[in-house]
Amino acid sequence: GAVVSQHPSWVICKSGTSVKIECRSLDFQATTMFWYRQFPKQSLMLMATSNEGSKATYEQGVEKDKFLINHASLTLSTLTVTSAHPEDSSFYICSAGVGPAGETQYFGPGTRLLVL
Amino acid sequence: GENVEQHPSTLSVQEGDSAVIKCTYSDSASNYFPWYKQELGKRPQLIIDIRSNVGEKKDQRIAVTLNKTAKHFSLHITETQPEDSAVYFCAASYNFNKFYFGSGTKLNVKP
Repeated sequence: GAVVSQHPSWVICKSGTSVKIECRSLDFQATTMFWYRQFPKQSLMLMATSNEGSKATYEQGVEKDKFLINHASLTLSTLTVTSAHPEDSSFYICSAGVGPAGETQYFGPGTRLLVL
Repeated sequence: GENVEQHPSTLSVQEGDSAVIKCTYSDSASNYFPWYKQELGKRPQLIIDIRSNVGEKKDQRIAVTLNKTAKHFSLHITETQPEDSAVYFCAASYNFNKFYFGSGTKLNVKP
């Protein structure tokens, strides 16, 4: 099946710093990618839809200035957590769709962020 | 936006028994309903999906049913095996634009 990678897989940072997470579709092109946040033993919460060549669309309650998304190419979307705080600590996971309408979603392995 | 509810949150069955997980959705426009399996520490993997023009779909031991009128869909796993133990998520989407997930069901299959 299709492969989606994320980098880094694990990051620890100090409060106030910014962290960039990359999501790549390795063997297919994705005009749309999705970013989720997953708390321990909880579901995937959709944060935003990343659109190649245009602005991301954010879900209600998600601060766009806090979570910057850039989809610069058909195989790469980045999520930058700006001025990270301990409450931003979470598991961030992306997905990209394969198929005529992107119906089959493939997930990245996730990035665990710990803000001290 | 769409609201997806999933029950039960945990499910424990004996090996060989069947398991059923149920989800409801709020947006009648949703037309695609995938199910994902997430093993501990791993990424979610699609196991089966169903579109709104179909009432039931089966793939070996796994089946999904959809009731559009009632806005609910269910995952059925027959002859469960220990390797079926994982967290299962349902999701709903309208034209694959966005995917909203249920809260997850932790399935434990006891040998």
